[in-house]
Amino acid sequence: KNEVEQSPQNLTAQEGEFITINCSYSVGISALHWLQQHPGGGIVSLFMLSSGKKKHGRLIATINIQEKHSSLHITASHPRDSAVYICAVPNAGGTSYGKLTFGQGTILTVHP
Amino acid sequence: GAGVSQSPSNKVTEKGKDVELRCDPISGHTALYWYRQSLGQGLEFLIYFQGNSAPDKSGLPSDRFSAERTGGSVSTLTIQRTQQEDSAVYLCASSLHLSTGELFFGEGSRLTVL
Repeated sequence: KNEVEQSPQNLTAQEGEFITINCSYSVGISALHWLQQHPGGGIVSLFMLSSGKKKHGRLIATINIQEKHSSLHITASHPRDSAVYICAVPNAGGTSYGKLTFGQGTILTVHP
Repeated sequence: GAGVSQSPSNKVTEKGKDVELRCDPISGHTALYWYRQSLGQGLEFLIYFQGNSAPDKSGLPSDRFSAERTGGSVSTLTIQRTQQEDSAVYLCASSLHLSTGELFFGEGSRLTVL
């Protein structure tokens, strides 16, 4: 089973700040998911990436397959970005990108 | 439908009763996944389907848990003789193909076992 570590576990920021959330995993993978969960809400897939960098609006995700590390960045953070951000990787040896091991999540709070 | 639909959204049951949770994936999605989110324990994978078959059931917590999928569409997760530790939010997700990757999640079914 892949072990997934996220940091920080809790993050508080002021509106406008640049946010970075980190994810490390133990076993080489072909892709990694970043998910977002708002309080009391469902889960939304933000990114699935296998190399390099992806950008969607103010969100940027990067991955370094050799170092087994990924980062999620939020530029110009806003209170509506307050949510739990979860990193997830496929289980070792799996062929399904949905058979996942999840990080413990990072609780982000952005104050106005 | 437009998204992944799960029912019921909330279920309160007594210990020892059986419950069925339903997931209706996005039309045309061949892969379907069940996850569980327990308070204080984060998310865990339970089972996935490719079409109607479940190649890997190793994530199911015990033999009281079972799941099926019919017609390559709707899936049902059944928990027999529920226990208090089964209380959690049960999430379903689907993707176009097993190796396509992007997951679309339902809103979840919150199960409370008294």
